[in-house]
Amino acid sequence: QVQLMQSGHEVKKPGASVKVSCKASGYTFSGYYIHWVRQAPGQGLEWMGWINTNNGDTNSPQKFLGRVTMTRDTSISTAYMQLSRLRSDDTAVYYCARSRGEVVRRYFDYWGQGTLVTVSS
Amino acid sequence: IQMTQSPSSLSASVGDRVTITCRASQDITNYLAWYQQKPGKVPKLLIYSASTLQSGVPSRFSGSGFGTDFTLTISSLQPEDVATYYCQKYNSILFGGGTKVEIK
Repeated sequence: QVQLMQSGHEVKKPGASVKVSCKASGYTFSGYYIHWVRQAPGQGLEWMGWINTNNGDTNSPQKFLGRVTMTRDTSISTAYMQLSRLRSDDTAVYYCARSRGEVVRRYFDYWGQGTLVTVSS
Repeated sequence: IQMTQSPSSLSASVGDRVTITCRASQDITNYLAWYQQKPGKVPKLLIYSASTLQSGVPSRFSGSGFGTDFTLTISSLQPEDVATYYCQKYNSILFGGGTKVEIK
């Protein structure tokens, strides 16, 4: 069965970086994009970007350009999201999710369990 | 492009028909998905291509619309449907603000 297993809770200080992992199983890793979505406490869903796991291409909205880095290691079917220069308003649950690459199928059919990142001095 | 959901919250009785609206500020044809997020849980895909039910989703959920105006309908609200519902356009990805559904 398809699973996306994320790394555990992180506590970071403002200005630091965090790297969250998302290990895929149950399907061909390079056949799907991995997206990152975050949800601040009591707030809605915010898309942070995707990585094409086949060739490593990435795309993020303007808000996160220069601060988010998405990578993957195909040998272990794992995607990573690093967020730098953390601020207190980056405190959120971070999800990975998968989609097909073609636009007509770029909806998210499986999600990871979420990783809480707490930014506090 | 903006995705505007309404209402932001609603309260209805078990068995009621519930309709949630999502409006895109530009034409997105049918690149529209709906997700359900129960309290403390991971979002779950309900509908894609505006009206196609994801496998395993109860048939009381349905979606409609094309272009800029879309609706998610729950034909007969059940207690297990208490959740926040999000629309998402996926040609260039953006979520709506969410609609919280509660039981009256």
